[in-house]
Amino acid sequence: AQSVTQPDIHITVSEGASLELRCNYSYGATPYLFWYVQSPGQGLQLLLKYFSGDTLVQGIKGFEAEFKRSQSSFNLRKPSVHWSDAAEYFCAVGAGGGTYKYIFGTGTRLKVLA
Amino acid sequence: NAGVTQTPKFRVLKTGQSMTLLCAQDMNHEYMYWYRQDPGMGLRLIHYSVGEGTTAKGEVPDGYNVSRLKKQNFLLGLESAAPSQTSVYFCASTQGLAGTYEQYFGPGTRLTVT
Repeated sequence: AQSVTQPDIHITVSEGASLELRCNYSYGATPYLFWYVQSPGQGLQLLLKYFSGDTLVQGIKGFEAEFKRSQSSFNLRKPSVHWSDAAEYFCAVGAGGGTYKYIFGTGTRLKVLA
Repeated sequence: NAGVTQTPKFRVLKTGQSMTLLCAQDMNHEYMYWYRQDPGMGLRLIHYSVGEGTTAKGEVPDGYNVSRLKKQNFLLGLESAAPSQTSVYFCASTQGLAGTYEQYFGPGTRLTVT
């Protein structure tokens, strides 16, 4: 069955430190992968996406993610975190079948210490 | 261009009452989705639509009905609300073109059932 796992429920980092949020997926075919960010009380905003090609993808707000097929992972990274990055982050995989459905992970809540 | 809008933003219902949540998109998207978001569970798909006049069940459809009479609108109905339906509801849409799965999300509706 298709699934997405975000093993870290909460992560706390200091402002200026580097960040890596983990995402592992289970999917039979080549996945379409996404990272979304949700600020408190807001909807979801797309950070970046992977469809094919270069396995290192760049997104908005200085984020990047690397697709590793051998590890079934799509981890999100940022070299230097800003206080405004505090939010909840969701990884999702496109479930295919022509319905364009997503399967979401349970999210990782990021706290940034000043 | 408003993107995806949701009405209302907040609502409190008593057990057994009914209500309809409205989602509207102005991007001429074919595909529309209703999700619910609960703490620690990510986003779960309730129902979706692959085009005007079509609807299909998602992961957690029980207690909800939907209609897509117009391409731009996707309605989610609760016929007899239950406390278990207390949640934040998000609508999303996508064009569904081959090679792109990007979903655009509305700001959410916070529903409390007492």
